Amino acid sequence: GIQVEQSPPDLILQEGANSTLRCNFSDSVNNLQWFHQNPWGQLINLFYIPSGTKQNGRLSATTVATERYSLLYISSSQTTDSGVYFCAVSTGNQFYFGTGTSLTVIP
Amino acid sequence: DTGVSQNPRHKITKRGQNVTFRCDPISEHNRLYWYRQTLGQGPEFLTYFQNEAQLEKSRLLSDRFSAERPKGSFSTLEIQRTEQGDSAMYLCASSLPAAAGELFFGEGSRLTVL
Repeated sequence: GIQVEQSPPDLILQEGANSTLRCNFSDSVNNLQWFHQNPWGQLINLFYIPSGTKQNGRLSATTVATERYSLLYISSSQTTDSGVYFCAVSTGNQFYFGTGTSLTVIP
Repeated sequence: DTGVSQNPRHKITKRGQNVTFRCDPISEHNRLYWYRQTLGQGPEFLTYFQNEAQLEKSRLLSDRFSAERPKGSFSTLEIQRTEQGDSAMYLCASSLPAAAGELFFGEGSRLTVL
């Protein structure tokens, strides 16, 4: 299967700071999603972004499929942004997940 | 529609017992997926259904695991003769039928095998 690498593995931010999370993948994909896993374990959809750029409030994402990476930007971070962020990519019928970036936002 | 629903949310069992999890997908979604997540790892694919047909299974799905979707609506995942290594979060997701359509996950079922 496809290898998905996320960086950094851990990130600690002061509230109000900005951050960039990266997802690299090893092969061509036809779809990509970003998720936020809440403290109870549920995966919350952030972006469905096979290519291009999308924005939703303080969050935005860019996928450059030809170069096999995607970036998730978090601006003006809040304590509620804490949690694990996963990138998942697909070549067809299943998604492959990275090991995530664990984000802690300190007040 | 309230999204993907899973139950039970938590299950504690003794080694050797059988357990069953249920997943109710979003009503108009005909693709349904099961994933497993262990501590500190990303979710790993187990299997997926299109309607009632189980179209793909991971090698992680040993012969102690069986998944069904008898009427193309809800699905069950049964683990027989549980082992401590089965302790994990079992996640269900559904999507529209387009290839690699956007996944929507349920809240998960956390299994602890003592």
